[in-house]
Amino acid sequence: EADIYQTPRYLVIGTGKKITLECSQTMGHDKMYWYQQDPGMELHLIHYSYGVNSTEKGDLSSESTVSRIRTEHFPLTLESARPSHTSQYLCASSVAGEYGYTFGSGTRLTVV
Amino acid sequence: QKEVEQNSGPLSVPEGAIASLNCTYSDRGSQSFFWYRQYSGKSPELIMFIYSNGDKEDGRFTAQLNKASQYVSLLIRDSQPSDSATYLCAGRGKHSGYALNFGKGTSLLVTP
Repeated sequence: EADIYQTPRYLVIGTGKKITLECSQTMGHDKMYWYQQDPGMELHLIHYSYGVNSTEKGDLSSESTVSRIRTEHFPLTLESARPSHTSQYLCASSVAGEYGYTFGSGTRLTVV
Repeated sequence: QKEVEQNSGPLSVPEGAIASLNCTYSDRGSQSFFWYRQYSGKSPELIMFIYSNGDKEDGRFTAQLNKASQYVSLLIRDSQPSDSATYLCAGRGKHSGYALNFGKGTSLLVTP
């Protein structure tokens, strides 16, 4: 059973709206990540955090922002949604060291 | 050049056969590699990780790493229809804070 939760699972929203995708984990992991995945394509790193008050941009410029005020919580905000933001957004977390990630169930976002 | 490359497939194998999935990487500084399985509409789940040259076995799965050739593979023995999924290869590189870089994935179809 996954210990990392993403809400909402599905979201349809109009262009120009501000949205926040939620991600929370109960495993006490320091490292958290946001990836974007289009169908049949690789995961692209959007943002990552290695601890509270630490956030960095990844390879993909998605015009989004993140915050890490608490260890367990890593929300992603789009200030002004556009149709090009339509995609699946995956949140993940990991412990330090050579271990892989645990992924959340994802949020499938459609901007109309 | 993408950091992690995979043949997108589909790779079709009969039930009971060995499925061989391959991945190459460009960053010689990458130290560890991960194989994830992703069912359609679901988030990736970790199968194995490897960071030493050679083979690593876990049940029906064997990961192989050849750092000189920058090559990673995953063998699935006694393939089952339930193994039908997309398999993602990921490497931990030096940039982006050592976050994982994912390939596009190889689609595997195990036919009864």
